[in-house]
Amino acid sequence: EAGVAQSPRYKIIEKRQSVAFWCNPISGHATLYWYQQILGQGPKLLIQFQNNGVVDDSQLPKDRFSAERLKGVDSTLKIQPAKLEDSAVYLCASSLHYGYTFGSGTRLTVV
Amino acid sequence: QQQVKQSPQSLIVQKGGIPIINCAYENTAFDYFPWYQQFPGKGPALLIAIRPDVSEKKEGRFTISFNKSAKQFSLHIMDSQPGDSATYFCAAEGTDKLIFGTGTRLQVFP
Repeated sequence: EAGVAQSPRYKIIEKRQSVAFWCNPISGHATLYWYQQILGQGPKLLIQFQNNGVVDDSQLPKDRFSAERLKGVDSTLKIQPAKLEDSAVYLCASSLHYGYTFGSGTRLTVV
Repeated sequence: QQQVKQSPQSLIVQKGGIPIINCAYENTAFDYFPWYQQFPGKGPALLIAIRPDVSEKKEGRFTISFNKSAKQFSLHIMDSQPGDSATYFCAAEGTDKLIFGTGTRLQVFP
C-alpha cells in the first residue's frame, strides 16, 4: 500500500510570512493527524481529524495555525504568520485502528 | 497524567550488544504501547507494539517487556547492528490519543 504523502519536504520562510503543508493519507484511513516535532523532541499532536471533522485541536495555536480536511481525504496545515519557534518538522499520520503510519514530514525553517 | 517518560536520552553500544530503553506511563486508560523507530529525515515507523494483557512480545531481534503493575515497559534489541542506529520513541495509545516519549538516540558501533 502507498504510504502517507507529504509536501513540500523542505521550506524556508522569513518570520511573519505564511506557509502551507499538504498531506495525503493512506487510502481508507479515516483518522488523520498533524504532529509537530521540534529537533531532539518527540512528536507533539497539533490536530486530529476523523473523516472531515476535528476530534482534537486542543494543542493547536489557533491564533496562527489552521488546518482543514475538506473531503475527508487530503489535509492542509497553514501557519500565518510564522514565528521563529515554529521551526520544526511537521509530520502527518493516518490510522485505521491502532498503529499510526507517518509521512516523512516537512522540515520548516523560519529565519 | 498524559506523560510518557523515557530513558536514557542517548545510548551507545558495540555491535552485538543489547541496548535497553525504558519507559513509564501514568494513565491506566492507555491500552496499546507501540515503539517507533525514526531515521534522520524520515517520519517515525511502527516497530513493535504490545497490549497490557501480555508481559512480553518478541519480533525478530526486538523484544518488549511489559510490567502492568509498575506501569513500565522496555525495548530490548538483541544482537544490535549498526543499521539499528536511530532514534527510538516509546508511546502510549488509548481513546484515540497517542502520546510519545521523549526519544532515545541509539548509536551502534561496528
